[in-house]
Amino acid sequence: DAGITQSPRHKVTETGTPVTLRCHQTENHRYMYWYRQDPGHGLRLIHYSYGVKDTDKGEVSDGYSVSRSKTEDFLLTLESATSSQTSVYFCAIRDTLYEQYFGPGTRLTVT
Amino acid sequence: RKEVEQDPGPFNVPEGATVAFNCTYSNSASQSFFWYRQDCRKEPKLLMSVYSSGNEDGRFTAQLNRASQYISLLIRDSKLSDSATYLCVVIPPYGGATNKLIFGTGTLLAVQP
Repeated sequence: DAGITQSPRHKVTETGTPVTLRCHQTENHRYMYWYRQDPGHGLRLIHYSYGVKDTDKGEVSDGYSVSRSKTEDFLLTLESATSSQTSVYFCAIRDTLYEQYFGPGTRLTVT
Repeated sequence: RKEVEQDPGPFNVPEGATVAFNCTYSNSASQSFFWYRQDCRKEPKLLMSVYSSGNEDGRFTAQLNRASQYISLLIRDSKLSDSATYLCVVIPPYGGATNKLIFGTGTLLAVQP
């Protein structure tokens, strides 16, 4: 158990509304990641963080922003949700062996 | 060409069978390789890292072929509980310290009683 939780686990929202997803870890890992998973695409990196207030973009970052004000929390925000952002979102941490461990995921539906 | 490619399956095998999956990667300078397992509607879970010398964990054996740019996963004596999607994961040369992973789309295994 990598000590990662995500909230909410399920969310339905309307197009144009802001949405924030939270990832919380209990083991003080430096690196944290946000992915989305869609059929036919596998997991794709949205943003990642390499420390408090240190973040960078992944391959599908358009329409998303992130923040990390504490080591344990990494927030993903959809400023104005669109239907193309309907997906399953996974948070992950990296341990000292460069292996990544995932949270349980958030299922987001944008109507 | 995708950076990581897998046969999506499904692979339908009887209990007790041996099954093997391959995964090809496009960048010959890729650094590290992993197999993850993902159950339906669950998060991916690390199954094993793949080392240059190959590695084995119980019924599971992973191998790396750098010359042909593929990794493989062999499952012996398949169990019903092995039914899942198996994800091939590669760290490309640009992944570096940020450990960006590239995921394949997965191979679905269904073990039949």
